[in-house]
Amino acid sequence: KNQVEQSPQSLIILEGKNCTLQCNYTVSPFSNLRWYKQDTGRGPVSLTIMTFSENTKSNGRYTATLDADTKQSSLHITASQLSDSASYICVVNPGGYQKVTFGTGTKLQVIP
Amino acid sequence: GAVVSQHPSWVICKSGTSVKIECRSLDFQATTMFWYRQFPKQSLMLMATSNEGSKATYEQGVEKDKFLINHASLTLSTLTVTSAHPEDSSFYICSARDLGLAGIHNEQFFGPGTRLTVL
Repeated sequence: KNQVEQSPQSLIILEGKNCTLQCNYTVSPFSNLRWYKQDTGRGPVSLTIMTFSENTKSNGRYTATLDADTKQSSLHITASQLSDSASYICVVNPGGYQKVTFGTGTKLQVIP
Repeated sequence: GAVVSQHPSWVICKSGTSVKIECRSLDFQATTMFWYRQFPKQSLMLMATSNEGSKATYEQGVEKDKFLINHASLTLSTLTVTSAHPEDSSFYICSARDLGLAGIHNEQFFGPGTRLTVL
């Protein structure tokens, strides 16, 4: 069964600090993995996309890593801001037009 | 580019009434749109896949007569919650797959969501 698990489930950090969110998946085959940011009461917004051959990709203060061998990905947020408070969802795409699998999400709260 | 809108953004209705939610791709064509529902503190759950000009494909456990989906054009899909009940209260999100990016990364763009509250 295709599964995507994220940890931690929730996280509280001080503004300005860094944090790392984890995503482990069992989806097969594998085409790409996306990290989304979902603000409360809003739809998800894509942050990064990682394909099989990519190990690291950055988008501003967000850096995603992928280890396709161990089927793990991480999202590192640098110098967190209050606006980073949101849920972060890892989504794995098996390829083609097959259904994607959503992770359980990590709820991040950045406090002053 | 790649903007998806939903209307309304929130709706409150009485039990037994029907509610229609629209999902539009504003600057691209989408042969496929997806409808999700999301309960508090949970991830998105796929309800159905909507293909332009054909019947929607519903996920197991989702009642097709309860959640009517119409995808009449390449830019519009609608979800109608018929005879809504309090247990249908949820956050409904649509996404659209860009025809131009079809097959490339299976890109989906999400709408802002619609909060449905059934009294």
